Amino acid sequence: DAGITQSPRHKVTETGTPVTLRCHQTENHRYMYWYRQDPGHGLRLIHYSYGVKDTDKGEVSDGYSVSRSKTEDFLLTLESATSSQTSVYFCAISESGVGTNEKLFFGSGTQLSVL
Amino acid sequence: DAKTTQPPSMDCAEGRAANLPCNHSTISGNEYVYWYRQIHSQGPQYIIHGLKNNETNEMASLIITEDRKSSTLILPHATLRDTAVYYCIVTGKRSNTGKLIFGQGTTLQVKP
Repeated sequence: DAGITQSPRHKVTETGTPVTLRCHQTENHRYMYWYRQDPGHGLRLIHYSYGVKDTDKGEVSDGYSVSRSKTEDFLLTLESATSSQTSVYFCAISESGVGTNEKLFFGSGTQLSVL
Repeated sequence: DAKTTQPPSMDCAEGRAANLPCNHSTISGNEYVYWYRQIHSQGPQYIIHGLKNNETNEMASLIITEDRKSSTLILPHATLRDTAVYYCIVTGKRSNTGKLIFGQGTTLQVKP
């Protein structure tokens, strides 16, 4: 299995508090992604990174920010958590970008509950 | 990316081959067919992908029709651990980097 670690695995927080989720990889892959998964919506891309300090928005980026200061770490921050951000968050990595002859490897997910 | 159509659910007897179909009639020439699966509460897992030719790896075989409008994922000897949601995805355009559209997939239930 690809070396991807997401932390924390579970988190419960209150509306309005900041939350940071961490994705750590040991594969030295260039591309990293954050998805959220909700019933009826499948997986939706939040943000992705194509290199250190290079990031771009996905389809559901409002309310989220990301940072990548090292190849191995990709952080997802909810500046002020809302109940609509209750979801399962998955980190993924790939050696080259999706859309090429390449594949994604996913982490085990973070279950976030915003009360 | 081309849209895919999969049956919502399928059953398979343990030890038998599981054949999961996928229609992708609007696929374009530079788009790949990918299969992922998601076992309950885990992250999606890559299975296999192909462009034109049939492909086989240690997990499965992928059969793509000559016109590329449909494909079949074959798990040759299904086990209970293969019970999962299987997603067929077509992608190939760099402008859609990261934007894999997973859809609803096929829930495969492998029964003893």
